[in-house]
Amino acid sequence: GAGVSQSPRYKVTKRGQDVALRCDPISGHVSLYWYRQALGQGPEFLTYFNYEAQQDKSGLPNDRFSAERPEGSISTLTIQRTEQRDSAMYRCASSFGGPAEQFFGPGTRLTVL
Amino acid sequence: GIQVEQSPPDLILQEGANSTLRCNFSDSVNNLQWFHQNPWGQLINLFYIPSGTKQNGRLSATTVATERYSLLYISSSQTTDSGVYFCAVVTGGGNKLTFGTGTQLKVEL
Repeated sequence: GAGVSQSPRYKVTKRGQDVALRCDPISGHVSLYWYRQALGQGPEFLTYFNYEAQQDKSGLPNDRFSAERPEGSISTLTIQRTEQRDSAMYRCASSFGGPAEQFFGPGTRLTVL
Repeated sequence: GIQVEQSPPDLILQEGANSTLRCNFSDSVNNLQWFHQNPWGQLINLFYIPSGTKQNGRLSATTVATERYSLLYISSSQTTDSGVYFCAVVTGGGNKLTFGTGTQLKVEL
């Protein structure tokens, strides 16, 4: 595809359930990033991958959050035992690597009831 | 960590007016990007500009890296320019973007 795609676009879940958010980066981009955006704020970094290697996970808020990119392309962000405070827009971005320009997907709006 | 501050926080313009948005950052950067978040929530790339000046239609941007600021110029504003404008930077040896506080722009007829 031409841009970064994410699915689902909207996810409503009940507190305590697990959710998996998917990101499909731009073809040829080696780096993939996950960010979280609360209402009225800018996106905040969660984690990033170069190819299949997770390079930095310093932004993951706690051990309920995990991410993988097993074949160096599609990535999944998993949130276990969701809590209401996890409600936010989750955005994925990709780039050619290093400090190169990052391109963002449309995001997944997560609502935890 | 690096601090990224944007001004003004809010701006209301009449269609056709010009404006300048500012982004100040507290450390040297390897990457600086300007984004437009439209009312539908899409985050659209405007400029990748760690230094120098670029122009794209009615928009232009200048980054003075030595003085740690960047400016986004919008000329002949249109209602479709409404939304939130973010600058974001990469600093040090990392690759993560740190976003600024944003400027909420509303363009009225």
